[in-house]
Amino acid sequence: EAGVAQSPRYKIIEKRQSVAFWCNPISGHATLYWYQQILGQGPKLLIQFQNNGVVDDSQLPKDRFSAERLKGVDSTLKIQPAKLEDSAVYLCASSPHRGTFTNYGYTFGSGTRLTVV
Amino acid sequence: GQQLNQSPQSMFIQEGEDVSMNCTSSSIFNTWLWYKQDPGEGPVLLIALYKAGELTSNGRLTAQFGITRKDSFLNISASIPSDVGIYFCAGQEPTFLTSGTYKYIFGTGTRLKVLA
Repeated sequence: EAGVAQSPRYKIIEKRQSVAFWCNPISGHATLYWYQQILGQGPKLLIQFQNNGVVDDSQLPKDRFSAERLKGVDSTLKIQPAKLEDSAVYLCASSPHRGTFTNYGYTFGSGTRLTVV
Repeated sequence: GQQLNQSPQSMFIQEGEDVSMNCTSSSIFNTWLWYKQDPGEGPVLLIALYKAGELTSNGRLTAQFGITRKDSFLNISASIPSDVGIYFCAGQEPTFLTSGTYKYIFGTGTRLKVLA
């Protein structure tokens, strides 16, 4: 099966600009996650969708970050305006089950590396 | 946000050596996962553990779910150059969210470098 697709792979923007990332999960996967991975750290969950609804966005900086999954399939994550500390890799992951793990865990995309200058 | 502590942070080993790393938390977890991340790629799941005390293998990899549910261990036997990468543990918090899902916390990572 095709994996989790993300675009773009790389993005360089100036601080205070806006940026958007796109994710297309594995077909049929109900749950979609956005993670932020700062260099040298593990991934940190930003937001979790179940179909087109948000189930956890407790760690999303809502003053500047937003995400949507309108039709319950692909998703976009936006940052507006960007700050220097937003430089990170933004990973999307999807899972076929409602939050709990199967033996397959969930699958990550290759990520979008954002550099804010 | 909360992160799990992994040790060592990084290690250099000779090809053919065995590798051990661990992950610890101040709180208990229901599930432990181990992922490997190659440069420029997303993490890939290696092993999943579901019960305290469980020992599970995947080829040369063996992982254990600590009996206290606050730690987990990953061993790699007879390392090879392609084992290089960053290894992350992830724990599933036992708190059941109102959404009917659980939350997963990632470790800080162990960077492995294998010398041929």
